[in-house]
This record gives sequence, structure tokens and C-alpha cells, in this order.
Amino acid sequence: DVKVTQSSRYLVKRTGEKVFLECVQDMDHENMFWYRQDPGLGLRLIYFSYDVKMKEKGDIPEGYSVSREKKERFSLILESASTNQTSMYLCASSSLLDRADYGYTFGSGTRLTVV
Amino acid sequence: ELKVEQNPLFLSMQEGKNYTIYCNYSTTSDRLYWYRQDPGKSLESLFVLLSNGAVKQEGRLMASLDTKARLSTLHITAAVHDLSATYFCAVDKAAGNKLTFGGGTRVLVKP
Repeated sequence: DVKVTQSSRYLVKRTGEKVFLECVQDMDHENMFWYRQDPGLGLRLIYFSYDVKMKEKGDIPEGYSVSREKKERFSLILESASTNQTSMYLCASSSLLDRADYGYTFGSGTRLTVV
Repeated sequence: ELKVEQNPLFLSMQEGKNYTIYCNYSTTSDRLYWYRQDPGKSLESLFVLLSNGAVKQEGRLMASLDTKARLSTLHITAAVHDLSATYFCAVDKAAGNKLTFGGGTRVLVKP
């Protein structure tokens, strides 16, 4: 089974803190994604990456950055956390080769609260 | 810009009856995906629809895709309580490899 693991299920951080959300996948997928999910707004793409050290902005990149130093790991960084970044964060991965069969696999999510 | 719209947003179902969720998208796209999400949980993949006329079935759920109409449907047959969840459709952007999601349909099946 493809597994996408997010390091924290719940996080509480203070305004202004630098926050790291970690995501690891174990199926050698090329593509990795970070989404946030908010009631009434659905899932919105923050950043994605097609390869190591490559990154592209999604629809709502402001206030976020990412890092992909290894193929299996994709980190989302909140440079200075703010209360409007309180949300559920979902990591996903997919393979260019196996998309037809596997589609996208999502991690279990990190519920971040910024106080 | 690719847009994906689902309706209805909320569906109250009676057990044993049939219902349909609709997913419209705005531009040509490669594939359409259906996901299920239980409260507080992540997304579970249900179906991947790859081409016009594709139909897939799993248990009481059946999904179909009409690329000419840019429409996918998720049909629920003889609803049961276990199907209570939020259902999302999502579409690849043709030029990239990014999923764009519909707003979700919250399904509540009542006895």
C-alpha cells in the first residue's frame, strides 16, 4: 500500500512561531503536494513539487514555503504563523507512471491551531 | 482557470433510496477522481475515471464520466448509514499534475 505519513496529527503553535509540517511517502512517487482544508472553502493547493529541489506555487502560497531535499520528504514551512493559518493541512503524493491506477494518496492530515 | 463544482452541497438521504451527486468542471482535463472523507479523517480514494464514458462501481457506489458534457456523477444505490461522509470530486489540470477539488457534498443517511 502507498503510504503518506504526516508527522503530527495535531499541533498548537503561537503566533509568530516558525512551524514545520513534515510529510514522508514510501512509494518513490515523483509528485508531492500540500493542501489546506477549511470549512466552506474546500481543499486548496498551497505548493507542489515534481522532483527533488523543485517546487511550484499553488493557489494560496502566501505565508508558506516548502522544502524538498529528498524525494520521499516534502516539508511545509510557515515562516511566521498567524491565526488565519489555523487549518487542516493535507499532504498528498502521486506517481507520473502509476497515476492511472493509484491516483493521489493523501496523508492523515495535520490539524494546526495557531493561538 | 479550472473550476470544479459539485451539487448538492448537502444531501440528506433515507436508507434504501437512491441518490446522485453531480460534478461539473470547466475545462478539458485528463482524469476525474472521487474521494470520500469521514469527519476528522483524511481523503480515501474511491474512483479514478480515465476517459469519456468510463463507469466504475464499488458496492453501492457507481461513478461515471461524460467528458463532452464535462460532467461526472456519483450514484448511490439503496443508501445505508455507513455511507454518511463528505464526498469530493477532483480533476487534474491537463498541463500540470495538480488536483482541483469541488466543494464537497456532505451526505447524511438517516434510518
